[in-house]
Amino acid sequence: EPEVTQTPSHQVTQMGQEVILRCVPISNHLYFYWYRQILGQKVEFLVSFYNNEISEKSEIFDDQFSVERPDGSNFTLKIRSTKLEDSAMYFCASSEVGLINQPQHFGDGTRLSIL
Amino acid sequence: AQSVTQPDIHITVSEGASLELRCNYSYGATPYLFWYVQSPGQGLQLLLKYFSGDTLVQGIKGFEAEFKRSQSSLNLRKPSVHWSDAAEYFCAVGAPENRDDKIIFGKGTRLHILP
Repeated sequence: EPEVTQTPSHQVTQMGQEVILRCVPISNHLYFYWYRQILGQKVEFLVSFYNNEISEKSEIFDDQFSVERPDGSNFTLKIRSTKLEDSAMYFCASSEVGLINQPQHFGDGTRLSIL
Repeated sequence: AQSVTQPDIHITVSEGASLELRCNYSYGATPYLFWYVQSPGQGLQLLLKYFSGDTLVQGIKGFEAEFKRSQSSLNLRKPSVHWSDAAEYFCAVGAPENRDDKIIFGKGTRLHILP
């Protein structure tokens, strides 16, 4: 069964540095998402992306965050200047269509640790 | 706005025993409801979803859930748990009337299995 893949599995970065988290969604999927999960807390929606633009973003997704689909396969989340509170598990997801009744398929996540 | 509550942070059951994980939602109509499982070090896997119709929903891995409108609940059940069921379980809700496609997750219930 096709999977969403995320790299790296663990990223350690100094505070203030830029970090890029990479995701390869399922190939025929058109809608892409990022979620994050701070340790011990619930999974939170960050952003959804379709047709090369952001569909919706949460209040967490401020000017420090950006997303991009640089080619036909990758979907990236960039944090421009990381803060300690950005330490979390970041999950990428994709779905075939953007309707809520279509399941989102999640990757295994990237654990981001900010020092 | 929709929200979801999982009252139990931890649940411990013996292998072979039955399981019920609770989930309550808050929404003006019937939302789209999901149960996801997160095994250690892995991403979120969809167990089942409820949109409408039959209130008893069958999922993967032997799980099922019953929708009760009067209680605003979709509790997850399994007749006999296996050690491999030890994981974090997330209930999630989506709003069919909204154009947004994000999913709101509960805080999760961690399931521990005793041998």
